[in-house]
Amino acid sequence: GQQLNQSPQSMFIQEGEDVSMNCTSSSIFNTWLWYKQDPGEGPVLLIALYKAGELTSNGRLTAQFGITRKDSFLNISASIPSDVGIYFCAGPPHGQNFVFGPGTRLSVLP
Amino acid sequence: EPEVTQTPSHQVTQMGQEVILRCVPISNHLYFYWYRQILGQKVEFLVSFYNNEISEKSEIFDDQFSVERPDGSNFTLKIRSTKLEDSAMYFCASKRLSSYNSPLHFGNGTRLTVT
Repeated sequence: GQQLNQSPQSMFIQEGEDVSMNCTSSSIFNTWLWYKQDPGEGPVLLIALYKAGELTSNGRLTAQFGITRKDSFLNISASIPSDVGIYFCAGPPHGQNFVFGPGTRLSVLP
Repeated sequence: EPEVTQTPSHQVTQMGQEVILRCVPISNHLYFYWYRQILGQKVEFLVSFYNNEISEKSEIFDDQFSVERPDGSNFTLKIRSTKLEDSAMYFCASKRLSSYNSPLHFGNGTRLTVT
C-alpha cells in the first residue's frame, strides 16, 4: 500500500528554536496536509497544500509542497511549549481517503 | 467553529462483545470516515462513506466491522465481536466537498479498550 515516511521520528529542542521536519512519498501526491495531534485528542489540521512549490504559512508554521510532488516540509519558528505533540503529514493517494505518515514527535524543553 | 463530535470518549469492553462507536459529523459535510490509531502508531484508514454507502475500505475493515448512518446526523462504527487487537483510538472524520483534496476534519476520538 501507499507509504509515507516522516523524518525525524522524534526531536527534542529548546524553547525558542526553529524546527524543520519533512514527509516523503514513493509516489506523486496532489495534496499535502499537515496535522498536529495532542495527547488524547484527534488530529487537528494545521496547513493544506494544493500546488507543487506552494509555500503556505499559518502563524509560526510554514509548510511547502515539494516541486517533485513527492515530498513536503513543515517548519515551526520560535518554538513554544504548546508546540509539543505529534505532527503528521497526510495525502490522498487515490479516491477520497487519506493516508498518514508515522508522525514526528516534538518535545520542547524549557 | 463546527466540529466533529464522538461518543463515548472511552469504551471498555470484553473480548467477543459488540461495540458501537458514535460520531456526529459536521452538519454540511457529505463524506464520512473512520480511522484508527493503535497506541503509539500512525493513523490508519478504515472506511469512507458517502451517499449512504461505503466508498472505500481498507484491509483492516473486515466482516467484523460495519458502518451506518441511521439518521441525518449520526454516523456509527460497529465492531461485532471485539478482539484484543481492536484496542485503539478510533477517530471519525468528515469533509464537505467531493474534491479529492478537500481536507478531513477529525473528532477527538473514542478510546476502545478490549479486555
